[in-house]
Amino acid sequence: DIQMTQSPSTLSASVGDRVTIACRASQSIRNWLAWYQHKPGKAPRLLMYKASTLESGVPSRFSGSGFGTDFTLTISSLQPDDFAIYYCQQYNTYSWTFGQGTKVEIK
Amino acid sequence: QVHLQQWGAGLLKPSETLSLTCAVSGGSVSGYYWTWIRQTPGKGVEWIGEINPHSGYTNYNPSLESRVTISADTSTKQLSLKLNSVAAADTGVYYCARGSGGLRPLYFYGLDVWGQGTTVTVSS
Repeated sequence: DIQMTQSPSTLSASVGDRVTIACRASQSIRNWLAWYQHKPGKAPRLLMYKASTLESGVPSRFSGSGFGTDFTLTISSLQPDDFAIYYCQQYNTYSWTFGQGTKVEIK
Repeated sequence: QVHLQQWGAGLLKPSETLSLTCAVSGGSVSGYYWTWIRQTPGKGVEWIGEINPHSGYTNYNPSLESRVTISADTSTKQLSLKLNSVAAADTGVYYCARGSGGLRPLYFYGLDVWGQGTTVTVSS
């Protein structure tokens, strides 16, 4: 299985901050990567696929980049609604794997 | 708007069979892949498997394949997950989710609709 490692595990930030979350794959996954936002008790929300393609309806303050093994999710100006846990997911192989999550909390 | 409603037994004893249902409303089940994912304390977020109801194609996580069955009923628009011989390590929250149909990974556009999750506890 391809291992996905996110960093940091927890990120403390303030409204208006620029936030970057990293996701590293144990082997190349080209750009077959998705990002999700999850709030407790709610259904996860798709943010991005193919590493940098924004899902319809997702605010443009979210952006993604990367290719191969290293990827980032950036929130350009953190909003109150963005405090959540973020997960990356690789779909390069037929056995998908997720990162362990990055919790974005209020500083 | 597509909505996924999940239900199933929330408390199981070791060796029993986990059985969950995911009902699709507001859209079709055909033309998509339907996925089950779980979040457990031990392994975090884990992909369980998927089904394409139109073709009957299924694909399972190799680590769970011997215990898992995913099925679909297009007439009732319901997906089903069965996991047998459960143990404490299977305790967690189980989700169904929709993925785009088409050749993977080129035509996979993420899991864009998710159920609310079903908490399953395995305890003697």
